[in-house]
Amino acid sequence: GDSVTQTEGPVTLSEGTSLTVNCSYETKQYPTLFWYVQYPGEGPQLLFKVPKANEKGSNRGFEATYNKEATSFHLQKASVQESDSAVYYCALSDNSNNRIFFGDGTQLVVKP
Amino acid sequence: GGIITQTPKFLIGQEGQKLTLKCQQNFNHDTMYWYRQDSGKGLRLIYYSITENDLQKGDLSEGYDASREKKSSFSLTVTSAQKNEMAVFLCASSITGGDYEQYFGPGTRLTVL
Repeated sequence: GDSVTQTEGPVTLSEGTSLTVNCSYETKQYPTLFWYVQYPGEGPQLLFKVPKANEKGSNRGFEATYNKEATSFHLQKASVQESDSAVYYCALSDNSNNRIFFGDGTQLVVKP
Repeated sequence: GGIITQTPKFLIGQEGQKLTLKCQQNFNHDTMYWYRQDSGKGLRLIYYSITENDLQKGDLSEGYDASREKKSSFSLTVTSAQKNEMAVFLCASSITGGDYEQYFGPGTRLTVL
């Protein structure tokens, strides 16, 4: 079945340092890949999605490239801010059954 | 834009009790979802519905019932609350088709005494 594996948290960084959250996926289909972000007390919200292999998605300084050969979709940001502290979810849709499969989430804590 | 409203925000129940959570959306989306979120774990799909009166089981449907009374509302019932259970239940909606963005509500936090 479909599954997503991502960096186990919490990840603690100082403001201004770079971030990488690893995400690997398994599916027999041609998926759309997503990154969602969840701030405390809120539901998750879409950060960005990428429907095609070898393309890059980006938003708010975060970016990820859909690597079909490596089955990866790692989230990166060059310089994190305290306001980036949140839980980040990697997810996939195999486009066949109206549902999204989420990873376990990675909590990011950014210290000033 | 639209909004998803979940009620209640906090729900405290007793062991063995039947508890109902409600979700309303004004996006005019056809598909709605219920997820369970436990501390340190991801989002686990309980039920989803692609249209009024449709129900599809997710990965965690045992112990739950759902009802899609109309397009804008989707209810979830915990059939028998388990002692010491604590979780957040999230409702979401989207255009039908798995590659569309899901919009989430703020959640209902369940505590069972």
